[in-house]
Amino acid sequence: DTAVSQTPKYLVTQMGNDKSIKCEQNLGHDTMYWYKQDSKKFLKIMFSYNNKELIINETVPNRFSPKSPDKAHLNLHINSLELGDSAVYFCASSQGTLRYEQYFGPGTRLTVT
Amino acid sequence: LAKTTQPISMDSYEGQEVNITCSHNNIATNDYITWYQQFPSQGPRFIIQGYKTKVTNEVASLFIPADRKSSTLSLPRVSLSDTAVYYCLVGDIAGSSNTGKLIFGQGTTLQVKP
Repeated sequence: DTAVSQTPKYLVTQMGNDKSIKCEQNLGHDTMYWYKQDSKKFLKIMFSYNNKELIINETVPNRFSPKSPDKAHLNLHINSLELGDSAVYFCASSQGTLRYEQYFGPGTRLTVT
Repeated sequence: LAKTTQPISMDSYEGQEVNITCSHNNIATNDYITWYQQFPSQGPRFIIQGYKTKVTNEVASLFIPADRKSSTLSLPRVSLSDTAVYYCLVGDIAGSSNTGKLIFGQGTTLQVKP
């Protein structure tokens, strides 16, 4: 059983397109996250949802919109894709946030051409 | 928010003990220190977490001095499979809202050689 899954694993698209990445966790966690890892391996948090409520919203272009239909899912929609959006996006989940033991998905490598 | 600093890379040999130090001079009272491991093409994996003194689990030990301005991840007897990037995180708990903003360091790339 995959604890945190993401689809797709690879996403190649052209500038200006709109795309979505889906994330699901079957751990029963109440908090989910989206991270972006750039080519230099810096891992930065983008968003966090706790029980479907947005609790962390970093300085991210408003072209990025997270959506949490329920506690087990956190999707990331990106409008008008730009070259600089190329990165690996990781979804993660945790039971609460106080202890920061997060479970990460396998990542989605987004390439914008 | 506490910023972390780690060595960019380290080399070791199989069977040796590896110590990776992370500096976090501005750590706040409520902050926890957490270490993650990341293999290529995979998501980070939780290794260990601590608040003060020493924490040990089946994978690693975490040493935190009294001032908490740094921490050291200790990997006993590393093997080739321990080659990975290791991230130090300092968690910032925001009041009573049960939220936390994690700050990943730049990571330390550990290369274990035969």
